[in-house]
Amino acid sequence: DQQVKQNSPSLSVQEGRISILNCDYTNSMFDYFLWYKKYPAEGPTFLISISSIKDKNEDGRFTVFLNKSAKHLSLHIVPSQPGDSAVYFCAANGGSQGNLIFGKGTKLSVKP
Amino acid sequence: DSGVTQTPKHLITATGQRVTLRCSPRSGDLSVYWYQQSLDQGLQFLIQYYNGEERAKGNILERFSAQQFPDLHSELNLSSLELGDSALYFCASSPRWSAYSSGNTIYFGEGSWLTVV
Repeated sequence: DQQVKQNSPSLSVQEGRISILNCDYTNSMFDYFLWYKKYPAEGPTFLISISSIKDKNEDGRFTVFLNKSAKHLSLHIVPSQPGDSAVYFCAANGGSQGNLIFGKGTKLSVKP
Repeated sequence: DSGVTQTPKHLITATGQRVTLRCSPRSGDLSVYWYQQSLDQGLQFLIQYYNGEERAKGNILERFSAQQFPDLHSELNLSSLELGDSALYFCASSPRWSAYSSGNTIYFGEGSWLTVV
C-alpha cells in the first residue's frame, strides 16, 4: 500500500504561470515532508522541505504547503520557468522510518 | 554533483546472471540507501545501511542483497536476474541514521541503469 501518493502523473503549465503539484499521505507519524526534482539521466535533487509543525515553507519561487488534517501537501512554483520542467517527487520521513518514502512522481512540463 | 558516486552507469546483462552495483557515499555520511526506479514506479526503497549495519529494509527481493563495508562504500548484489529487474538503481547517502534530521537530507547519485535481456 502506498503511504505517499501523487495522483497526477503529469502537469503542463505555461511559462510565467503557477504550477501546483499535489501529494497525499496516509501515515500520521510522518514528521518531515520533502520535494525532490529529477531531470532525465540525473539523480533526484533536494528542493524544499517542511516540518509537520509548520503549514508553510517558502524558498524563492518554491512554496510548500502542508495540511495535516487532510494529510495533504502541495508544492507551488511561481512563476514557472521552462527550466522547471522535470519530474517532481514528494517524500516523507518520520516515526521509525530512517528512510524516505517517495511518491511515484509528477512530470511537470513548462511551455514557453 | 551530489558527492555520491555510483558505478557502473550502464549495465546490460542476460537473464539468470548476477551483477554488483557499487556506491561511494558523500564524505562523512554514515547512511547509505538503495532505491529502485522502474518504468512506471516511483522510487522504491530497497534497503538502508548505517555505519556498516542494516538499518531498514523495504521492498527488496530475496535475490537481492547489499552490504556496507568498513570504508562506508556499499554494494548491491542482484542475482538470478529477470527481465523485470531492468530499472534505474539509485544510491543515496545521509550523515545520520535518519533520512532527514537537523536540515540534512539524503543526496542521490546519478544511478546505475540496469538492462536485463
